[in-house]
Amino acid sequence: RKEVEQDPGPFNVPEGATVAFNCTYSNSASQSFFWYRQDCRKEPKLLMSVYSSGNEDGRFTAQLNRASQYISLLIRDSKLSDSATYLCVVNRWGSQGNLIFGKGTKLSVKP
Amino acid sequence: NAGVTQTPKFRVLKTGQSMTLLCAQDMNHEYMYWYRQDPGMGLRLIHYSVGEGTTAKGEVPDGYNVSRLKKQNFLLGLESAAPSQTSVYFCASSQWDTQYFGPGTRLTVL
Repeated sequence: RKEVEQDPGPFNVPEGATVAFNCTYSNSASQSFFWYRQDCRKEPKLLMSVYSSGNEDGRFTAQLNRASQYISLLIRDSKLSDSATYLCVVNRWGSQGNLIFGKGTKLSVKP
Repeated sequence: NAGVTQTPKFRVLKTGQSMTLLCAQDMNHEYMYWYRQDPGMGLRLIHYSVGEGTTAKGEVPDGYNVSRLKKQNFLLGLESAAPSQTSVYFCASSQWDTQYFGPGTRLTVL
């Protein structure tokens, strides 16, 4: 099993759609979880951290299921500006600062 | 604050040449990292540093060396560039787990 695994997509959705991304991780010792966003030919930027209780930031909701080692990101009311690659990120073996990046899921929102 | 900056933005090398990539951060972060990103491979950690004067190997360290002589700077060196090192190189810094990335250096080795 790969350390962090994501569906590469692409996900092609119309504006206003709800889209969900899933991610699985292999090491149960991981303690920190994130979603990063990367625009084409740009650097990754933190979208949101993921907490055990689930957390929401506007149209974005992140969920963590430790038992299944599964992380999700839900985007509601998609905008054209949401088009990007979304990276699932997990810290490495419980160590601070050392992160493992998934290969990313590409989202394209169409008018 | 500039955040994380990288120099140069683009570079073309011939096989066997050497070069140094410079990363600078003004956030007083302890941790700094060098990654490479290749199509279909995602971000892979080359080397990292947990503080001034320290360095450690990441996932793909071969062919690269690093130095962290000052807290704000992290240098990545290629002693003898190879075509397999053609990639986009990102530097990042963090205080805890949230990493902040520089804009990247696009390196082509012919």
